[in-house]
Amino acid sequence: SQTIHQWPATLVQPVGSPLSLECTVEGTSNPNLYWYRQAAGRGLQLLFYSVGIGQISSEVPQNLSASRPQDRQFILSSKKLLLSDSGFYLCAWARLGLAGQQYFGPGTRLTVT
Amino acid sequence: KQEVTQIPAALSVPEGENLVLNCSFTDSAIYNLQWFRQDPGKGLTSLLLIQSSQREQTSGRLNASLDKSSGRSTLYIAASQPGDSATYLCAVKGANSKLTFGKGITLSVRP
Repeated sequence: SQTIHQWPATLVQPVGSPLSLECTVEGTSNPNLYWYRQAAGRGLQLLFYSVGIGQISSEVPQNLSASRPQDRQFILSSKKLLLSDSGFYLCAWARLGLAGQQYFGPGTRLTVT
Repeated sequence: KQEVTQIPAALSVPEGENLVLNCSFTDSAIYNLQWFRQDPGKGLTSLLLIQSSQREQTSGRLNASLDKSSGRSTLYIAASQPGDSATYLCAVKGANSKLTFGKGITLSVRP
């Protein structure tokens, strides 16, 4: 069976500090990978998605970046956090193709102080 | 641009009641629609997936329907229980393989 992991589960960081959130998927290969952010009172916002190693598409211009160094690893980064980066970050995976379900990880709660 | 709407934002019902959660979307050119459940502080759990060629899907006490031409989906929950209390989100997948989410309906089932 497939599982998706995210860490850390919670994070408190000061403004201007760097960020690295990691997501890994087990039990499948060549997944599509996604990073979402869920801010209080707002819906899920797609930040990045990837269809393969080194292939990243950005949905929202901002101070965040994503990388996919391995097939089942997806990393969300920032060089300098802003207060507005606070939120709940969710990683998801789906099988290749248009018909597949998306499966979500447990999320990381980020608070920028 | 696809927009997904879920109204009302919150719903409170007594235990045992059958209920319907609504979802509407503006662009009928979708590949599928997914219903998710989210408990406070947790990730999303996929409940049901309806492909664009299907009209409904069932899992236990849950039944989801899709009317693509009118841009509507409903999630029917039979004999609601306090454990059903959560936020329910619907999302549609377009030709770009991306999901567009509604803001969710927060359901509270009173014992």
